[in-house]
Amino acid sequence: SQQGEEDPQALSIQEGENATMNCSYKTSINNLQWYRQNSGRGLVHLILIRSNEREKHSGRLRVTLDTSKKSSSLLITASRAADTASYFCATGSPKTSGSRLTFGEGTQLTVNP
Amino acid sequence: DGGITQSPKYLFRKEGQNVTLSCEQNLNHDAMYWYRQDPGQGLRLIYYSQIVNDFQKGDIAEGYSVSREKKESFPLTVTSAQKNPTAFYLCATEGGTRGTDTQYFGPGTRLTVL
Repeated sequence: SQQGEEDPQALSIQEGENATMNCSYKTSINNLQWYRQNSGRGLVHLILIRSNEREKHSGRLRVTLDTSKKSSSLLITASRAADTASYFCATGSPKTSGSRLTFGEGTQLTVNP
Repeated sequence: DGGITQSPKYLFRKEGQNVTLSCEQNLNHDAMYWYRQDPGQGLRLIYYSQIVNDFQKGDIAEGYSVSREKKESFPLTVTSAQKNPTAFYLCATEGGTRGTDTQYFGPGTRLTVL
């Protein structure tokens, strides 16, 4: 079953604007990760935030995690046409429950030049 | 895509045939995973292996089989028992010990049933 659910399913913005994607999950987690997938390609890891962290930055990416609401957001600032891709959140659960990543269904981001 | 290779890139299968998808890595990672992705969907876990000569079923293992005889290789066989195998197949590795750390993906194999 897919634990992570991204919102929105699709997002279209203009170059230079910020893009925000959200992810909700249901069970306790060790960490939450965001991945990017260009059409027809493999996934590329963007950022990992642990359950005891609330915010993390990497370049133009900002991730927040609210474990009380079981949700995370990914903010891409000053978007570029090259940011056009699908973005997936993935949650890692505690080892005792058979640890592995569970992926959401993704947000398709289109950045128009 | 880094040190993970998948072959072939495109694969066509006739109904009733078994086909094997290759995944090789040179990252010296212990854990390897196979995912299936349908159009517009997320990834679903087929099988995973945390160590050589050991593997576990994921969420959608029926109709698939794997082996892990070498650390570098984790081939996936799509058997004739898999009734709807047309999909994009992704192999991944993970170097941590918890199974919940960063995963590294290969470029994928697109399988089409004719």
